[in-house]
Amino acid sequence: DAGVIQSPRHEVTEMGQEVTLRCKPISGHDYLFWYRQTMMRGLELLIYFNNNVPIDDSGMPEDRFSAKMPNASFSTLKIQPSEPRDSAVYFCASSPQGLYEQYFGPGTRLTVT
Amino acid sequence: AQSVAQPEDQVNVAEGNPLTVKCTYSVSGNPYLFWYVQYPNRGLQFLLKYITGDNLVKGSYGFEAEFNKSQTSFHLKKPSALVSDSALYFCAVRDMRGMIKAAGNKLTFGGGTRVLVKP
Repeated sequence: DAGVIQSPRHEVTEMGQEVTLRCKPISGHDYLFWYRQTMMRGLELLIYFNNNVPIDDSGMPEDRFSAKMPNASFSTLKIQPSEPRDSAVYFCASSPQGLYEQYFGPGTRLTVT
Repeated sequence: AQSVAQPEDQVNVAEGNPLTVKCTYSVSGNPYLFWYVQYPNRGLQFLLKYITGDNLVKGSYGFEAEFNKSQTSFHLKKPSALVSDSALYFCAVRDMRGMIKAAGNKLTFGGGTRVLVKP
């Protein structure tokens, strides 16, 4: 199994630009989670999906952030427009129904200048 | 409210010595508890979990954790630490708020404990 796949691994962009992060969960997993990690705020849950349906987006910091899961094998997290304070490592994780533990991808390190 | 606390920001231990990383929890109902490890520039890796049964849970890389209901703790332990165990460790609890089926796999993470194992 290839595990959770995220792309790109690194993204450097200028303030105001649109950023799209991508995630392919482990096949057969029913849940998909997007997290953000910074030194100041630690690990924060942004949004999660169950069977492609968004369940809880209360962690999404602002309307500039949006996430979609058009099918069971793909999800995107979009930031538009990006700001320097969005600089962080963004993780995607997936989880199978009934087992509870989450499996994390390698993350996308986003730098907004 | 569901929460976990990791009281130590950093733990320093000499290689070969026992390693303990502390975690306490607060949940309503039966706790489902987890430990993860994060190596530099990597994602979090699942180490072990407690759902029910034996209070001593064994996991990956020689780690184990002891569930203590009376002390509401779930400390991570390793009998003999290695330099390669130096990493960031997270405790987590299954978030049962709302008690709806779809919330079942949401986890609440602690703030993390950095472990430094010195040669």
